[in-house]
Amino acid sequence: GPKVLQIPSHQIIDMGQMVTLNCDPVSNHLYFYWYKQILGQQMEFLVNFYNGKVMEKSKLFKDQFSVERPDGSYFTLKIQPTALEDSAVYFCASSLGQVSYEQYFGPGTRLTVL
Amino acid sequence: GDSVTQKQGQVTLSEDDFLFINCTYSTTTYPTLFWYVQYPGQGPQLLLKVTTANNKGISRGFEATYDKGTTSFHLQKASVQESDSAVYFCALVFHNQGKLIFGQGTKLSIKP
Repeated sequence: GPKVLQIPSHQIIDMGQMVTLNCDPVSNHLYFYWYKQILGQQMEFLVNFYNGKVMEKSKLFKDQFSVERPDGSYFTLKIQPTALEDSAVYFCASSLGQVSYEQYFGPGTRLTVL
Repeated sequence: GDSVTQKQGQVTLSEDDFLFINCTYSTTTYPTLFWYVQYPGQGPQLLLKVTTANNKGISRGFEATYDKGTTSFHLQKASVQESDSAVYFCALVFHNQGKLIFGQGTKLSIKP
């Protein structure tokens, strides 16, 4: 199936520092998403993004979080500053359309905040 | 608010056993339903999609059925194999939204 890539696969960072997670979505997809999964728990929606704008965000998407996709490059999730509770696996997903369109997920970036 | 519940946290079966995993949802609209499978160290992979139009989806020997009357949907497979060991998530997208709402996940372990 369609492939979504994520870089890096694992990031270890000190609390308070900035981190940027990168996602290379499926090439013709228009909608982009970030989800958060704490070890052993369910996947939770953070934000979705379309046409250069955040369309919807959850309460987990704190003020310290931001997303962008400048000119068709990586879709990024930036956290500044990081907190201990940000430790999780972050999954990027993309889809061609909304609602009934399938979302395809990347392999995830494991973020460890010390 | 809109929610989805997947109560079976862990299921252990033997090869060739029948698999049945159920999800229930709460919403005022009819969602599109998905089943995803997640192997260790990987992202969720789409297994099946079911809409109100077709009520059923079939893929790779798995079958998903949508029951609007009981606001539930389930995943089944007639004969599981060891390679089916993974975590299975149900997920929904509601009519006026794009985000997936996931169930808690069911870890399927198959004894050889």
